[in-house]
Amino acid sequence: DAKTTQPPSMDCAEGRAANLPCNHSTISGNEYVYWYRQIHSQGPQYIIHGLKNNETNEMASLIITEDRKSSTLILPHATLRDTAVYYCIRLLYNFNKFYFGSGTKLNVKP
Amino acid sequence: EPEVTQTPSHQVTQMGQEVILRCVPISNHLYFYWYRQILGQKVEFLVSFYNNEISEKSEIFDDQFSVERPDGSNFTLKIRSTKLEDSAMYFCASKQGKTEAFFGQGTRLTVV
Repeated sequence: DAKTTQPPSMDCAEGRAANLPCNHSTISGNEYVYWYRQIHSQGPQYIIHGLKNNETNEMASLIITEDRKSSTLILPHATLRDTAVYYCIRLLYNFNKFYFGSGTKLNVKP
Repeated sequence: EPEVTQTPSHQVTQMGQEVILRCVPISNHLYFYWYRQILGQKVEFLVSFYNNEISEKSEIFDDQFSVERPDGSNFTLKIRSTKLEDSAMYFCASKQGKTEAFFGQGTRLTVV
């Protein structure tokens, strides 16, 4: 049980920002929010994670609301190669397993 | 950049045969995982492994499945007697500690 809610699909124009929402309203104080993506049938790829503060790395930014009940993954300039299924996962810091939900299928269009 | 390596990329086996899927995790990682993905379905957790023993396993991981870390570098998943419904992509993952997990590119298992 992934215990997160994501829209099943989204479209984004190439070069524009892709904003992928995730609802995790029952998240506990020691659970992190992780984002992975899966391009076609490749292995899931780690993108970013955070606990309370907003995070940014070379791939994306993660915005977590102050109440931590939802978050948004931002791909600042989406390319066709960013077309993938994006998974939002909540995890304890010492996680021993994590569950993938259905994710959001992001279609980046020319 | 270090990566998790899985071999073979594609394995075809006859129903009832034993199959071993191999993974080389990232070298300083301590936690190891197997996941599978049946075509068109979600990525499903199978088993986690730490300190030379299984930490957790799912309902899918029944007596037909076993894992082993035979030589300190490889991490294997064995299916003793394959069934048609075992056909799937199998992903190995590893992590160092309280960090993100990295996945391999998977082995596509086809049972005929």
